[in-house]
Amino acid sequence: AQSVTQPDIHITVSEGASLELRCNYSYGATPYLFWYVQSPGQGLQLLLKYFSGDTLVQGIKGFEAEFKRSQSSFNLRKPSVHWSDAAEYFCAVGTASFTGGGNKLTFGTGTQLKVEL
Amino acid sequence: GAGVSQSPRYKVAKRGQDVALRCDPISGHVSLFWYQQALGQGPEFLTYFQNEAQLDKSGLPSDRFFAERPEGSVSTLKIQRTQQEDSAVYLCASRRQAPKDEQYFGPGTRLTVT
Repeated sequence: AQSVTQPDIHITVSEGASLELRCNYSYGATPYLFWYVQSPGQGLQLLLKYFSGDTLVQGIKGFEAEFKRSQSSFNLRKPSVHWSDAAEYFCAVGTASFTGGGNKLTFGTGTQLKVEL
Repeated sequence: GAGVSQSPRYKVAKRGQDVALRCDPISGHVSLFWYQQALGQGPEFLTYFQNEAQLDKSGLPSDRFFAERPEGSVSTLKIQRTQQEDSAVYLCASRRQAPKDEQYFGPGTRLTVT
């Protein structure tokens, strides 16, 4: 069974500073990896996804993530954080299977990002 | 176009009551998922439909939870005899079809059992 670990529960950064949110996954085969953002009272919005190919993926809002198979990691980065980036961020792993869970997502517990002005 | 919608957005139920939560997926999306998100946690998978077929219900926590999607579009998650531990946000997501397609999430229904 797949699992996701987000070791940082809370992170505080200053506006304009760089950001890296950590994500480690456990899955026996090549995973499908996702980063979602959730603002209060809102649903989850997809930031980016990795299926195969280039291990550095670009997403919306200036975010990027790098898949490192040797480290089982998929860390999210942004070079300069904006106050509007304050939210909760979830890393998730999915499978390629149509059957069974049909590519259900397994989420980490999330990282709450606070941005200081 | 419209995204995934869920109703009601908030539901307060007394312990022991039955509740029904509705999900309207994006039109034409074949796959539909329900997740449960407890306070301070990430969403956890409950069940999955492909069209009207419920292909996986392994995440449903007890037989008090029941989901259906009779015409392959709107889905309803029903919880019978609600308990306090059922308090959570219930998220619905739909996906065009393939595992590589994005899952689009609705805003969720916040259920509070008193």
